[in-house]
Amino acid sequence: GQQLNQSPQSMFIQEGEDVSMNCTSSSIFNTWLWYKQDPGEGPVLLIALYKAGELTSNGRLTAQFGITRKDSFLNISASIPSDVGIYFCAGQLPPVQNFNKFYFGSGTKLNVKP
Amino acid sequence: DAGVIQSPRHEVTEMGQEVTLRCKPISGHNSLFWYRQTMMRGLELLIYFNNNVPIDDSGMPEDRFSAKMPNASFSTLKIQPSEPRDSAVYFCASKGRTTYEQYFGPGTRLTVT
Repeated sequence: GQQLNQSPQSMFIQEGEDVSMNCTSSSIFNTWLWYKQDPGEGPVLLIALYKAGELTSNGRLTAQFGITRKDSFLNISASIPSDVGIYFCAGQLPPVQNFNKFYFGSGTKLNVKP
Repeated sequence: DAGVIQSPRHEVTEMGQEVTLRCKPISGHNSLFWYRQTMMRGLELLIYFNNNVPIDDSGMPEDRFSAKMPNASFSTLKIQPSEPRDSAVYFCASKGRTTYEQYFGPGTRLTVT
């Protein structure tokens, strides 16, 4: 199956710092989604990206669809304690290969020290 | 608006017992997905339905697992017989007709002893 490499696996940062994480693949993807998962909860959709080069923001979060279509990036500016959680990327192959199927990265666990 | 609803939230059962997990997708969504999450394997897609029809069940681990979607507002994932290695969090997600964005339920934490 498809593999998404998500990095880093975990991060320990100070409140107020900016955060960057990314996902890469050997395959071209049509769509990228970024999710956040809190302990004991389901993943919550943060940002959806549909076009190569697209840059989309949601508050302090900004995500980009890589120009090669094989990667995506998520940045969090001025982190706060409630940013703690696990962040997942999910990519979808072009429709001709897999209409609805998304492949998930292994997650980036973010820890924020107050 | 109600999100994806899953029940039960927690299930503890003994090896060999039948387990049924339930999901109600967001009203109006026409695609439904069942995922399993473990520390070792992360989030894995088990099966998904489009307009109540199973489209891809290649992620279903083995014949002990089965899923149904009898109507647009209800789906079940059944494990019979259950085994300790089935212990995981099972998520249901749904998607609308004109979007690729999947919305997850809160999950069912299954423990098989």
